[in-house]
Amino acid sequence: DARVTQTPRHKVTEMGQEVTMRCQPILGHNTVFWYRQTMMQGLELLAYFRNRAPLDDSGMPKDRFSAEMPDATLATLKIQPSEPRDSAVYFCASGLVPDGKTTDTQYFGPGTRLTVL
Amino acid sequence: DQQVKQNSPSLSVQEGRISILNCDYTNSMFDYFLWYKKYPAEGPTFLISISSIKDKNEDGRFTVFLNKSAKHLSLHIVPSQPGDSAVYFCAARRNTPLVFGKGTRLSVIA
Repeated sequence: DARVTQTPRHKVTEMGQEVTMRCQPILGHNTVFWYRQTMMQGLELLAYFRNRAPLDDSGMPKDRFSAEMPDATLATLKIQPSEPRDSAVYFCASGLVPDGKTTDTQYFGPGTRLTVL
Repeated sequence: DQQVKQNSPSLSVQEGRISILNCDYTNSMFDYFLWYKKYPAEGPTFLISISSIKDKNEDGRFTVFLNKSAKHLSLHIVPSQPGDSAVYFCAARRNTPLVFGKGTRLSVIA
């Protein structure tokens, strides 16, 4: 049963601390997305990768957020320094996209609930 | 600027009745629309989709209707079951990643 996994599932930290969230996409998928869910904004796209290359990270606050794919089985989202307004649920999703096309179906992980005090 | 809008944050429906969830979009270039369902403490899961060349797509109890002239789509669930209680997200795209609405929380009351 292939699924996207995310760690940690919950994270409580203090303002100013570094937070790293990890995602393992479904094996064979070539596109990875990071979303943030808040009550006010719903699901916001932060960044996405295709074949490990960043395609769009315009949704991320550049000064504190960074996203990487060190290899095909791992995507990371880092916040440094964290702020209380970063408190949200962060979802990773993956999909299989033929070259030149966009993905229709994305498979989401269970999310990381981040609380910054 | 919300390109995909779900104007009803919540909806309550009696078990066995029809649930109708609505979604409006502003970008006339969108050519594919999807509905995702989300249970608490889980990620969204794909439910049903429709291409802009169609006006209806049906999958069991779930039907999605697309009205391109009104830039409106709706998800019908018939009959509604308690297990359908969840948050439903509408999403759309054209040559871009999906753009999601804020979601509608459906409660099906037994």
